[in-house]
Amino acid sequence: AQTVTQSQPEMSVQEAETVTLSCTYDTSESDYYLFWYKQPPSRQMILVIRQEAYKQQNATENRFSVNFQKAAKSFSLKISDSQLGDAAMYFCAYPSGTYKYIFGTGTRLKVLA
Amino acid sequence: EAGVVQSPRYKIIEKKQPVAFWCNPISGHNTLYWYRQNLGQGPELLIRYENEEAVDDSQLPKDRFSAERLKGVDSTLKIQPAELGDSAVYLCASSFRGALGVAEQYFGPGTRLTVT
Repeated sequence: AQTVTQSQPEMSVQEAETVTLSCTYDTSESDYYLFWYKQPPSRQMILVIRQEAYKQQNATENRFSVNFQKAAKSFSLKISDSQLGDAAMYFCAYPSGTYKYIFGTGTRLKVLA
Repeated sequence: EAGVVQSPRYKIIEKKQPVAFWCNPISGHNTLYWYRQNLGQGPELLIRYENEEAVDDSQLPKDRFSAERLKGVDSTLKIQPAELGDSAVYLCASSFRGALGVAEQYFGPGTRLTVT
């Protein structure tokens, strides 16, 4: 069965510092996508970054980047120069097939001023 | 472009009462999803529509939950009667299948349901 695991229920980071959120997954597929979503207190899930498994290059979106280790089935999110607005729940998601997303349990990120 | 719209944002009801949630997806998105998110958990899919057809409702508790998307645009999710365990955030999402091999989902703000 395909699973997504986020082992860090909560993380804290000082403003302007860097933090890494962990995600591991299990799949027998060779070609797939992975996503990180941000859910602020407003509850709206916002796509932060996506990674295509067949691409060796790690995805980057401004201050957000991933460390994708396909063999280890690891997909961590690095947030650089953390800002107060980054405080939120972060969910790792694996699309099982075209439409069905499997989400991890989330990591609550606190940003300390 | 407007995002996914949901209403209401909050709902408090007593157990055994009915409740309904409404969702209007992004224009042009033919796939619509309803998720339930329990406290401290990730969203779990309840039902997926392709246009007006429910193509995946395997996780929908059909004894008390129902959904419809009559014209293939907006959708309503209903619970009747509600139970204490139904307290959760109900998220709606929509997608279209573009150049990616996977449908990228866009989420609404959700409805927080509290059953007392």
